[in-house]
Amino acid sequence: AQSVAQPEDQVNVAEGNPLTVKCTYSVSGNPYLFWYVQYPNRGLQFLLKYITGDNLVKGSYGFEAEFNKSQTSFHLKKPSALVSDSALYFCAVRDMRQAGTALIFGKGTTLSVSS
Amino acid sequence: NAGVMQNPRHLVRRRGQEARLRCSPMKGHSHVYWYRQLPEEGLKFMVYLQKENIIDESGMPKERFSAEFPKEGPSILRIQQVVRGDSAAYFCASSWTSGGTGGNEQFFGPGTRLTVL
Repeated sequence: AQSVAQPEDQVNVAEGNPLTVKCTYSVSGNPYLFWYVQYPNRGLQFLLKYITGDNLVKGSYGFEAEFNKSQTSFHLKKPSALVSDSALYFCAVRDMRQAGTALIFGKGTTLSVSS
Repeated sequence: NAGVMQNPRHLVRRRGQEARLRCSPMKGHSHVYWYRQLPEEGLKFMVYLQKENIIDESGMPKERFSAEFPKEGPSILRIQQVVRGDSAAYFCASSWTSGGTGGNEQFFGPGTRLTVL
């Protein structure tokens, strides 16, 4: 079965420190991977995606993610965290059972950046 | 370019009533997806529609739930005879083409928070 796992419910970092939010996936074939961020009482905002090509993908707000095929991981990273980065982060993979359809989401990781 | 619009933002219904949730996709987008987010959980896919067609409804409950995306107007998610377990945030997303032609991201609306009393 296709799935996404975010092993950490919460990640706490100090402002200015690097942050990593972990994501692993299980799909058949080549994955299409996405990261979204959700602020309180808001919809999801697209951060970045991996389709093919370079394993390091750069996205919005200084975020990047590294695709690792051997470890089936797609961890989200940022070199220097900001308090404003505090939010709920979702990793997602496209459901390739039927082209053009759903995203399968992880349960989300709450990122808390302290000043 | 306005983003994905959803209304109402908050909806309160009593058990047994009907809930209608509306979604207007981004301009130029003809693909609409509905997701449900239960408390403390990630988003779960419900249904994927193109204009006048339901393409994939594998995530929709078999009873009481229906969706449409007419030629004119917004997409509608309809829940009949609501129960307390239907309380959740319902998100609509749109894309300009299907993911089958590439990894096209979906753009999400702000959601409708349904509370069933």
